[in-house]
Amino acid sequence: NAGVTQTPKFRILKIGQSMTLQCAQDMNHNYMYWYRQDPGMGLKLIYYSVGAGITDKGEVPNGYNVSRSTTEDFPLRLELAAPSQTSVYFCASSYKTAYNEQFFGPGTRLTVL
Amino acid sequence: AQSVTQLDSQVPVFEEAPVELRCNYSSSVSVYLFWYVQYPNQGLQLLLKYLSGSTLVKGINGFEAEFNKSQTSFHLRKPSVHISDTAEYFCAVSDPGRDNYGQNFVFGPGTRLSVLP
Repeated sequence: NAGVTQTPKFRILKIGQSMTLQCAQDMNHNYMYWYRQDPGMGLKLIYYSVGAGITDKGEVPNGYNVSRSTTEDFPLRLELAAPSQTSVYFCASSYKTAYNEQFFGPGTRLTVL
Repeated sequence: AQSVTQLDSQVPVFEEAPVELRCNYSSSVSVYLFWYVQYPNQGLQLLLKYLSGSTLVKGINGFEAEFNKSQTSFHLRKPSVHISDTAEYFCAVSDPGRDNYGQNFVFGPGTRLSVLP
């Protein structure tokens, strides 16, 4: 199993550009998550999904959009990139029950200039 | 809603010394508890978890954690650290009462462990 994969690993965007961060998992997990991690700030939940076709906002959803058309994929869309979106983005997945841990991807480091 | 506190944002310690990283959570109801480690430029990986049973949980790389329900704590310990333990450590809590609600995981802010030679 590849686990949770994310692409790209690094990206530099100009202000106002858009991009999609890709995330895929091959563990047949129901739940998927997007987090951003800023220095010294821990993880902040952007969006999550409990299954194909179902998504919901997390703590910091503004400036982002998601979709979940399949169990495996959970892309994160940035529209009109801003410097405040400079961060490291992590995708994670888990089974639906609370005793199952989250599995994380390697992250995407995004810089908006 | 649950919250997780990690009182120490940074912990420097010399190699081969013992270390304790503290974690407290907000609710006294039943919870599941997790410790994750994040090595530089990598994603998070699970160190150990407490679901039920013995309050002392052993994880990978010689780490262990003790669940204390009365103090709502889940402190992480290692008797002798190595340079390779330098990383950020995150405590997380999961609420069994929120199964099927999706957002049932809460992470603490993290503790940066620096092991000095």
